[in-house]
Amino acid sequence: EAQVTQNPRYLITVTGKKLTVTCSQNMNHEYMSWYRQDPGLGLRQIYYSMNVEVTDKGDVPEGYKVSRKEKRNFPLILESPSPNQTSLYFCASSPHRMTGGFEQYFGPGTRLTVT
Amino acid sequence: ILNVEQSPQSLHVQEGDSTNFTCSFPSSNFYALHWYRWETAKSPEALFVMTLNGDEKKKGRISATLNTKEGYSYLYIKGSQPEDSATYLCAFNAGNNRKLIWGLGTSLAVNP
Repeated sequence: EAQVTQNPRYLITVTGKKLTVTCSQNMNHEYMSWYRQDPGLGLRQIYYSMNVEVTDKGDVPEGYKVSRKEKRNFPLILESPSPNQTSLYFCASSPHRMTGGFEQYFGPGTRLTVT
Repeated sequence: ILNVEQSPQSLHVQEGDSTNFTCSFPSSNFYALHWYRWETAKSPEALFVMTLNGDEKKKGRISATLNTKEGYSYLYIKGSQPEDSATYLCAFNAGNNRKLIWGLGTSLAVNP
């Protein structure tokens, strides 16, 4: 089944404790992206990647890191999480690196709480 | 600053009603307009990707139109059903093709 998977789905952690949210797609998509969703703010892009070893900042990259060592995986790393990073996170992928004309496929979301 | 606006913010209709809502976006540097459906506790799913002025797309009872010259798209739902209850998001791509700019969505509730 073609899909985007994220793990964990739910995470409660404490300030400063490094964490990684994994994202994997099995559709051989070039483009992958991380978003956060906060009430009243809509989807905001954190980082995106147009291909292996190519990553770029989105609108809200501060406090996050990503890597794209393999085409299928795009982990999101929070080196020192803070409470303002409490949010719902979505990973998405798209068939083409120039994603504008192609639909995005979303993972199931990760609900992160930082206390 | 590129901005995408959706209206209304929320909508309540009765089962069987037809409804529509609007996505407004900058009319310059247009490349594509996306519509997504986002049900509670699920992830957004693509409905349409529209690229041509005057384009109309249809999927079952849901259809969308696009006017790139004036910067708006309409999403129509004919004969709404309770399972249509969701947030409908639109997203604009400004020609650089690298990312989407998202609206806040229209939350639709269909009462049986």
